[in-house]
Amino acid sequence: QVQLVESGGSVVQPGGSLRLSCATSGFTFSDYAMHWVRQAPGKGLDWVAYIASDGNNKQYAESVKGRFTISRDNLEKTLHLQMNSLRPEDTAVFYCATDSGGTFDYWGQGTLVTVSS
Amino acid sequence: VMTQSPLFLPVTLGQPASISCMSSQSLVYADGNTYLNWFQQRPGQSPRRLIYKVSHRDSGVPDRFSGSGSGTEFTLKISRVEAEDVGVYYCMQGVQWPPTFGGGTKVEIK
Repeated sequence: QVQLVESGGSVVQPGGSLRLSCATSGFTFSDYAMHWVRQAPGKGLDWVAYIASDGNNKQYAESVKGRFTISRDNLEKTLHLQMNSLRPEDTAVFYCATDSGGTFDYWGQGTLVTVSS
Repeated sequence: VMTQSPLFLPVTLGQPASISCMSSQSLVYADGNTYLNWFQQRPGQSPRRLIYKVSHRDSGVPDRFSGSGSGTEFTLKISRVEAEDVGVYYCMQGVQWPPTFGGGTKVEIK
């Protein structure tokens, strides 16, 4: 069955960096575009970043543009999110999700990023 | 912009529930499909897709869940609410860039 497992979340100071990963299995990773979506504590869902199946097209929310970088390794079937210059308002659970065209089919369980001094 | 209502929906077990989602722009894509999705997030869990393209129910989703609507106005209905339906429901559009979610509707049992 499809599995997405995020990792890499932790507590980091403002201005710090963190790299999230999303290990996948149960589907042909290289066929799917992927997204990162975040959810601040007690809040709704907020799209963060997108990467095409071949990695050649990347898009970012305005709030993270220039600070976050999405990437993927199709051989390792893994999605990454490099987060730099972190701010307290980046505190959230980060989810990876598959994209089959206009929809997010499958989601991981999420990894918590806390930005605090 | 995706606007959901109500924000909070207390329901009696076995009674129906209805959630509205309105988009500021038409969600009909150039290919003729309408990319409006519904997600359920139970307490402490990640989101799970229930409905895609307005009315297509995902595998394993009980048939008491149904989606309807067109253009800019959409509805998720639960025919008879069960205890396991407690959680927050989000609509999401996949037509305009970036993809956006409604603010969520919290369903709880009275």
